[in-house]
Amino acid sequence: EVQLVESGGGLVQPGRSLRLSCAASGFTFDDFAMHWVRQAPGKGLEWVSGIGWNSGSLGYADSVKGRFTISRDNAKNSLYLQMNSLRAEDMALYYCAKDMSGLPSLAFDIWGQGTMVTVSS
Amino acid sequence: IQLTQSPSFLSASVGDRVTITCRASQGIDSYLAWYQQKPGKAPKLLIYAASTLQSGVPSRFSGSGSGTEFTLTISSLQPEDFATYYCQQLNSYPQLTFGPGTKVDIK
Repeated sequence: EVQLVESGGGLVQPGRSLRLSCAASGFTFDDFAMHWVRQAPGKGLEWVSGIGWNSGSLGYADSVKGRFTISRDNAKNSLYLQMNSLRAEDMALYYCAKDMSGLPSLAFDIWGQGTMVTVSS
Repeated sequence: IQLTQSPSFLSASVGDRVTITCRASQGIDSYLAWYQQKPGKAPKLLIYAASTLQSGVPSRFSGSGSGTEFTLTISSLQPEDFATYYCQQLNSYPQLTFGPGTKVDIK
């Protein structure tokens, strides 16, 4: 079964850091680009960051550029998002999503169930 | 690239034909995808490349358009189709954007 499972979310104070992980299974992980997408409570979807199959082609939304770092470990079939200097507006459900192919992307065909990040003092 | 969707909210009955429009602030060729999201669930891919139906998605869903104007059509609305629908442009990596969403509700 093709599956993405996110972990690492939680409650964090403003200005602190958090690292999200996404474990992939059921497909050849290193054949595809991967992405993080977030959704604030009651709001729409926001693309956060993407990474090519070989850890190239890194991309970030302007809202997180310079604070978040995406990475992957193909040997562990895992995707990561290091989030630094967290702000209240970063509070959201963070989804890991598989690209249909490489970059440029056609669409995101597999999504995890998300991990919630709460930023509050 | 900014995306707008219309309407933002739509009330419809089972069996209705429903059309949702997505407009891009500049041309994106056919790099557009449509997703369905139900409450508490992850988004599900319906359409990619503007008009290609994702495997396993019912044929009552269809997409069309290119450039700056796109449509998602549900030919005969079913009870399981009540959800929020998002378009996404993938032409301008690394600045990928989603539309604000269209909520389809039961009349």
